[in-house]
This record gives sequence, C-alpha cells and structure tokens, in this order.
Amino acid sequence: QVQLQESGPGLVKPSGTLSLTCAVSDDSVSSTHWWTWVRQPPGEGLEWIGEIYHGGTSHYNPSLKSRVTISVDKSKNQFSLKLNSVTAADTAVYYCARVFCDTTGCFRIDQWGQGTLATVSS
Amino acid sequence: QSALTQPRSVSGSPGQSVTISCTGTSSDVGTYNYVSWYQQYPGKAPKLMIYDVTKRPSGVPDRFSGSKSGNTASLTISGLQAEDEADYYCCSYAGSSYVFGTGTEVTVL
Repeated sequence: QVQLQESGPGLVKPSGTLSLTCAVSDDSVSSTHWWTWVRQPPGEGLEWIGEIYHGGTSHYNPSLKSRVTISVDKSKNQFSLKLNSVTAADTAVYYCARVFCDTTGCFRIDQWGQGTLATVSS
Repeated sequence: QSALTQPRSVSGSPGQSVTISCTGTSSDVGTYNYVSWYQQYPGKAPKLMIYDVTKRPSGVPDRFSGSKSGNTASLTISGLQAEDEADYYCCSYAGSSYVFGTGTEVTVL
C-alpha cells in the first residue's frame, strides 16, 4: 500500500512562500499515476490545488494558478508544492495524494497522506 | 470553478437509508462520468468510497452506492450504521482540473 508523507514549515509569514514536500513510499512518482495536492482550511471543505505527472505536465486550480507551482523529484521519489504571496486565507491542512490511473482513466484520488497544517501568520 | 453544492447535513436512524446530493454544472458533473465520493472523520484524511459515479473500491461496503442524473450526482448509504457518521465530499473532474463539493455531515440518530 502506497504511503505519502507531507513535510514542511508549519508557520509561514504573510506575503511569503509556502513550501511543502510529499515523500512517496511503496510506489514510484515515475509510475503511471498522477500526484496531487488538496487543502482544507480549518472547519471548512476540501479544495483541489493541482496535480503533476512525472513527465512534468501539471494542471492547477484556476483560482490558484498564478501563485502555485507543483514539481516532481524522481531521484528522491517525492513531489513538492510552492504557494507564493500567501495570506491568512491560505491557512489550511495540506494533503498530498495519488490520482490512480488505469486503463479506464485517471480520475480518482485513492491514497492520501495524513495532512500537515500550514499556518500563515506574522 | 465553483464548488459543487451539497446539503450541509443529513441524518438518519440506524438501518435507514440516506442520500446525499451533489449538484454541479454542465462543465463538470453534467459532462464527465468521473464523480468520486470521499468519507472523512474529524482530524483524518479523506477516504475514497465511490469513483467513476458508481464504482466501489475494494473494501468499501456495498451499502454505499452512487448514481448520477444530469448535473447532479448522489451518494446513498443503505442500512445506516453508527460508523457511517462522518463528513462526505463529492468530487468531479472538470477538464484538466477537479472540483470538490461543499461537504455534508452525516449524523446517525
């Protein structure tokens, strides 16, 4: 069973950059699947941030696209999230996850990390 | 890209059935048969319960079922059990992106 583990600073200053990494175990970021980030502000719902394929192709939530970059590091079997110009509204639990792909397509998020809280505050 | 609309809460007694609706648009739910449903307990990561509108991953009880009509998808929990008390989110593919629902709290009376 694939395991995903988020890591990164729990506190980010306003206008700064939020940087998180997701380490993948028992699967390869170079496999046929996509890799994604989802966030959840305290007490609120889930929001899809974006996804990446090992070849480098990425897709982003239109509402965040101007501030987000997702990258993949095949040598370390991990992928990362960078969110620029953060405000208090970006305070959330950030989950990394796998978008499972098979012969029928790639449209389900089947494995999730435990999530990490990132707080934007001075 | 607006969040899909779900009822804030639904409730039912043990053994009853409850249905959660998920209303989108012709840009997401109405066009793609790629609606998934997630169960989330407080403080925990979401868990995939239904994908491709009607399919259940291995290990998910068959009392969970999904359907879709037009721009609205639905999750039905039959034979409600105490362990089903959780938050549920729908999610639809929207053409190179995904959009989640607003979330529904299921309460077992």
